[in-house]
Amino acid sequence: DTAVSQTPKYLVTQMGNDKSIKCEQNLGHDTMYWYKQDSKKFLKIMFSYNNKELIINETVPNRFSPKSPDKAHLNLHINSLELGDSAVYFCASSQDQVAPSSYEQYFGPGTRLTVT
Amino acid sequence: AQSVAQPEDQVNVAEGNPLTVKCTYSVSGNPYLFWYVQYPNRGLQFLLKYITGDNLVKGSYGFEAEFNKSQTSFHLKKPSALVSDSALYFCAVRFNEKLTFGTGTRLTIIP
Repeated sequence: DTAVSQTPKYLVTQMGNDKSIKCEQNLGHDTMYWYKQDSKKFLKIMFSYNNKELIINETVPNRFSPKSPDKAHLNLHINSLELGDSAVYFCASSQDQVAPSSYEQYFGPGTRLTVT
Repeated sequence: AQSVAQPEDQVNVAEGNPLTVKCTYSVSGNPYLFWYVQYPNRGLQFLLKYITGDNLVKGSYGFEAEFNKSQTSFHLKKPSALVSDSALYFCAVRFNEKLTFGTGTRLTIIP
């Protein structure tokens, strides 16, 4: 049973293309996140959604657009891809609206995006 | 603003020896602190957390962490290192619904 899954695992594309990454969690969590991990392994949050509502929107180019059709899914669409978008993108989920004791986030396996 | 510092990029420990991976934090109010581990080409796995209560927190795979409020530290420890503990370790602090990660410490256990 995969708790947080992402597709695709690898994505190789050319500059200027548009691509999407999908994420699904079966943990019943109410909050989902997108993180970017760069080549130096630095992790930075991009977005978070709670019950389909955007909560966190970090300083991310507006070429990146998250979409949450329901609380179990959070997709990331990227327009006009640039070389600097090459990174590993992680989806995560947590149960935020209960108590701090449930704040830990569970991560998907990551999507390695390579823009050429 | 909250921040987390992991002062060591790399820690090498002989198998069977105790290990410590250091983390210090800066946050307004009570900190919610976490440790995660990342194996090569994998996502992050949750190890343990400090929310409140006992300063010594036990987690997965025999790891524990000690919360020290006066030193604003949350060091990860294990009494006896295994080669399989070799991985990248991240400390994180939560504030205002956001999790901020440290830069990571690569732990290598030498057989």
